[in-house]
Amino acid sequence: GAVVSQHPSRVICKSGTSVKIECRSLDFQATTMFWYRQFPKQSLMLMATSNEGSKATYEQGVEKDKFLINHASLTLSTLTVTSAHPEDSSFYICSASGQGVSNYGYTFGSGTRLTVV
Amino acid sequence: GQQVMQIPQYQHVQEGEDFTTYCNSSTTLSNIQWYKQRPGGHPVFLIQLVKSGEVKKQKRLTFQFGEAKKNSSLHITATQTTDVGTYFCAGPFGSNTGKLIFGQGTTLQVKP
Repeated sequence: GAVVSQHPSRVICKSGTSVKIECRSLDFQATTMFWYRQFPKQSLMLMATSNEGSKATYEQGVEKDKFLINHASLTLSTLTVTSAHPEDSSFYICSASGQGVSNYGYTFGSGTRLTVV
Repeated sequence: GQQVMQIPQYQHVQEGEDFTTYCNSSTTLSNIQWYKQRPGGHPVFLIQLVKSGEVKKQKRLTFQFGEAKKNSSLHITATQTTDVGTYFCAGPFGSNTGKLIFGQGTTLQVKP
């Protein structure tokens, strides 16, 4: 089945630094990837949609200059949290859809737990 | 804006008891999907319902899609400790965007 690999699974960084999260589709071409964040005991909130080879589209209230998304190939999308602050601490998850994937349901990465100290 | 509401937020049951979570959308949905997220894990796709009034079963799990395609439910018969987790419903957001809007989720705790 479709597999999405997300790294790192956990990261602790100092306030003011940047963190890059990678999401790779291992056995299919992900034409579209979605980035979510999830606070403890809350639902998934869509941050942005990235399409291979084009600029990401961000949901209302998400700072595009803070959360940089790159989808340069059909198998890799990255989310960079720039100048991270403690309030950016959260669980970030990607999901993918694309060629070769069943139209039923999305495949999620395993998530990245970011802690900014 | 479009909203997907899910109740209850939490449910504690004794092992062997049944469990139901309900999902209501503010708009008619072309389909509804259900996901399960184990503690510390990521959402895993369970099922998608497309047709009005559709009912699908997966072993002890029964999924229903309302006639108006605005509500859905997930029923688990005779819960087991392996059913522990948060169950989310999700519906398409916007028109042909591929985006999903998730309900708040129902967290199920099962006492052995």
